[in-house]
Amino acid sequence: DGGITQSPKYLFRKEGQNVTLSCEQNLNHDAMYWYRQDPGQGLRLIYYSQIVNDFQKGDIAEGYSVSREKKESFPLTVTSAQKNPTAFYLCASSIDRQGVLAGGPDEQFFGPGTRLTVL
Amino acid sequence: SQQGEEDPQALSIQEGENATMNCSYKTSINNLQWYRQNSGRGLVHLILIRSNEREKHSGRLRVTLDTSKKSSSLLITASRAADTASYFCATLNMGRRALTFGSGTRLQVQP
Repeated sequence: DGGITQSPKYLFRKEGQNVTLSCEQNLNHDAMYWYRQDPGQGLRLIYYSQIVNDFQKGDIAEGYSVSREKKESFPLTVTSAQKNPTAFYLCASSIDRQGVLAGGPDEQFFGPGTRLTVL
Repeated sequence: SQQGEEDPQALSIQEGENATMNCSYKTSINNLQWYRQNSGRGLVHLILIRSNEREKHSGRLRVTLDTSKKSSSLLITASRAADTASYFCATLNMGRRALTFGSGTRLQVQP
């Protein structure tokens, strides 16, 4: 089965702890993304990566870190510097068309999400 | 920042009726996409319309794009209770290689 998975489904963090959210895809997509969703809100971009060993900050990167050591994996670490981390975190991947005729990323495929709660 | 803004924020209709949701955005785009999210789940891609297209159909979905007004609409015809979900527009802005999502329209279809 091709797809994108996230783990864990639920995660609880104590104040001052770092936690890492997993995201794996077997769609052979170059681009991967992390979003945060607060209740009743849309998605806000945290980080994205177009290629292995490279990533860019999104709109709300403060207090988060990522790595992209493998094409299939894009883990997100929520650090203690993130003061309000309770949210629903969504990972996505897409084809990213490069080159002169590029139209940019096409449709994104989303994982099922991780709900993070700070105790 | 959220560029796309959906209107209305919430919509309740009866099964069989049509549902129309609108999205406005502020900057030039490469494409505009619509996604659906069931409560507590990931998003599912519905349809993509490029900046040089004006209308696109997929099954019961019809999307229009007016780049002069910087707006798009999503029409769901003959709605079903299973269409109950939140619907988001997302724009791929010029010079940026990631989508910008709106705040969504919550659609409730009453059986």
